[in-house]
Amino acid sequence: DTGVSQNPRHKITKRGQNVTFRCDPISEHNRLYWYRQTLGQGPEFLTYFQNEAQLEKSRLLSDRFSAERPKGSFSTLEIQRTEQGDSAMYLCASSSATDTQYFGPGTRLTVL
Amino acid sequence: GQQVMQIPQYQHVQEGEDFTTYCNSSTTLSNIQWYKQRPGGHPVFLIQLVKSGEVKKQKRLTFQFGEAKKNSSLHITATQTTDVGTYFCAGPRGGGSYIPTFGRGTSLIVHP
Repeated sequence: DTGVSQNPRHKITKRGQNVTFRCDPISEHNRLYWYRQTLGQGPEFLTYFQNEAQLEKSRLLSDRFSAERPKGSFSTLEIQRTEQGDSAMYLCASSSATDTQYFGPGTRLTVL
Repeated sequence: GQQVMQIPQYQHVQEGEDFTTYCNSSTTLSNIQWYKQRPGGHPVFLIQLVKSGEVKKQKRLTFQFGEAKKNSSLHITATQTTDVGTYFCAGPRGGGSYIPTFGRGTSLIVHP
């Protein structure tokens, strides 16, 4: 058990709906990352927080995606107006200054 | 940003045979990380290599970082069924970012 938790574990939604995922990192970790993973691919970086500041965003991240980490603890990832191409596993990871990333179990999104 | 390429994409071995996966980058890497993802699971950090020509061992796993810091390999001696999974290498995105960019991974299938 890595200590990173994600909710929900599975989400099925209809195209055009909004969805929100939550990540609770390991408590002493100040760095938090969101990735997306599709079948047969490695995790694809989406965005990164250090404490509450969002420091990096992938250029691949469309404006339908937004992430927050309001108090520097848990984070949420929202996808607006979901599309079928958004179907994927959304992974959250956290780390301290050592850069070793600890991944959560992921949220599997299916857009119908 | 930099990309890391991994070969092979899949590898079938008989239990007891050795296994090697290779990771190549188009640019020099400051470090390289290796992760393992079991089927249905999430990536788990294995190791980070930093020095040119570095070799590290973890039981039956041997990790190497090339002299030019553009390639790396993971070798497993005498595979076991517990080694089944996808092995990813990850190097910093570049452009001043240290956030890992993952390769596509090598899926290891071990036949008993």
